[in-house]
Amino acid sequence: QVQLQESGPGLVKPSETLSLTCAVSGYSISSGYYWGWIRQPPGKGLEWIGSIYHSGSTYYNPSLKSRVTISVDTSKNQFSLKLSSVTAADTAVYYCARLTVTSPYSDGFDYWGQGTLVTVSS
Amino acid sequence: SSELTQDPAVSVALGQTVRITCQGDSLRSYYASWYQQKPGQAPVLVIYGKNNRPSGIPDRFSGSSSGNTASLTITGAQAEDEADYYCNSRDSSGNPLWVFGGGTKLTVL
Repeated sequence: QVQLQESGPGLVKPSETLSLTCAVSGYSISSGYYWGWIRQPPGKGLEWIGSIYHSGSTYYNPSLKSRVTISVDTSKNQFSLKLSSVTAADTAVYYCARLTVTSPYSDGFDYWGQGTLVTVSS
Repeated sequence: SSELTQDPAVSVALGQTVRITCQGDSLRSYYASWYQQKPGQAPVLVIYGKNNRPSGIPDRFSGSSSGNTASLTITGAQAEDEADYYCNSRDSSGNPLWVFGGGTKLTVL
């Protein structure tokens, strides 16, 4: 059974960098799939932040691209998110998820972490 | 870039059929995936591709697509189906970018 678990600080100061890690168990990241980060501000909808392919290729939401870095550590079977210059608008529950691509026209985030709330406040 | 538009709220009587829709240009080229989210929980994938259900998802959930509109249909809605539903698809640019719809709050009466 594939399991994902987010970890990282729950409180980040404005202008600093938010850093989260997603530990994956039950599957080796280096074997395949895309791995992604999605966030959800309190009371609002889901927003795709970015994804990384097992090979290391990265893809980012254009609206966040200048501030986001996603990386993978295959030796620890985990991937990470860094979001720089955060503001209160970045306060959200952050989820990590696995993306399964079933065809060039079809995919889905089939495994999710439980999510972690990150609050941006001084 | 791309946008996916959903109705903010839909209601259905217990046991009846409800359709939740998602509109966007990218849906002319890519299938939508659908997620159910209950309060305080992570989203759960319920439909992906043409009309595929992950293991454990009841067969009362089905998906379809026509033109720029994708639909999630619940046939015989149950009380436990009350939740927020989100569609997701690739960006219409052709690059591997993804976008979520704004979500639909489903109320089962």
